Amino acid sequence: RKEVEQDPGPFNVPEGATVAFNCTYSNSASQSFFWYRQDCRKEPKLLMSVYSSGNEDGRFTAQLNRASQYISLLIRDSKLSDSATYLCVVLRWGHNQGGKLIFGQGTELSVKP
Amino acid sequence: DAGITQSPRHKVTETGTPVTLRCHQTENHRYMYWYRQDPGHGLRLIHYSYGVKDTDKGEVSDGYSVSRSKTEDFLLTLESATSSQTSVYFCAISESRSEGPSSYEQYFGPGTRLTVT
Repeated sequence: RKEVEQDPGPFNVPEGATVAFNCTYSNSASQSFFWYRQDCRKEPKLLMSVYSSGNEDGRFTAQLNRASQYISLLIRDSKLSDSATYLCVVLRWGHNQGGKLIFGQGTELSVKP
Repeated sequence: DAGITQSPRHKVTETGTPVTLRCHQTENHRYMYWYRQDPGHGLRLIHYSYGVKDTDKGEVSDGYSVSRSKTEDFLLTLESATSSQTSVYFCAISESRSEGPSSYEQYFGPGTRLTVT
């Protein structure tokens, strides 16, 4: 079983739709959580960190449930430019050695006109 | 955008030849990482560095070595390239303002596309 698991997709949605991505992680020692976005053949870019209380950035809302070891990302009013692969990422922190990120395999989103 | 560059951006090499990829940062961040990304596997950590001359292995370190003699440069070497090392290689940097997980952020370079024939 992979340490971070995501819906593989692809998700094909019309412009304006609301879409939700789910992610589960298996290591309860994971300490921080993130969503990254990756466009085709480009580097991953940090979309947002995820906090226990839930956090919102414009059309994007991320939530964390530590008890269920579950992370979600909600995108409202989808735009064509949201088409990308979304990576769920958890951090394992090692004292004095910094952090290691563990990546899910990503969920592909395609927003159609 | 974080100041991270990778060189070369594309390389084709033959099996058995040594290859060195360079990652350069202008952010003075303490931590640096090398990943590879392959279809069906996602991003996997090869090696990382937590300071000058301080490095450690990631999950797929066999066949790779690294060196960090200066804060700004992190080199990845394939001693004898194999076809299984054909991949896209990403360098990343990070810093934690509080030296803990709560303020941790990691940023990626543009990647190097390596083909071993």
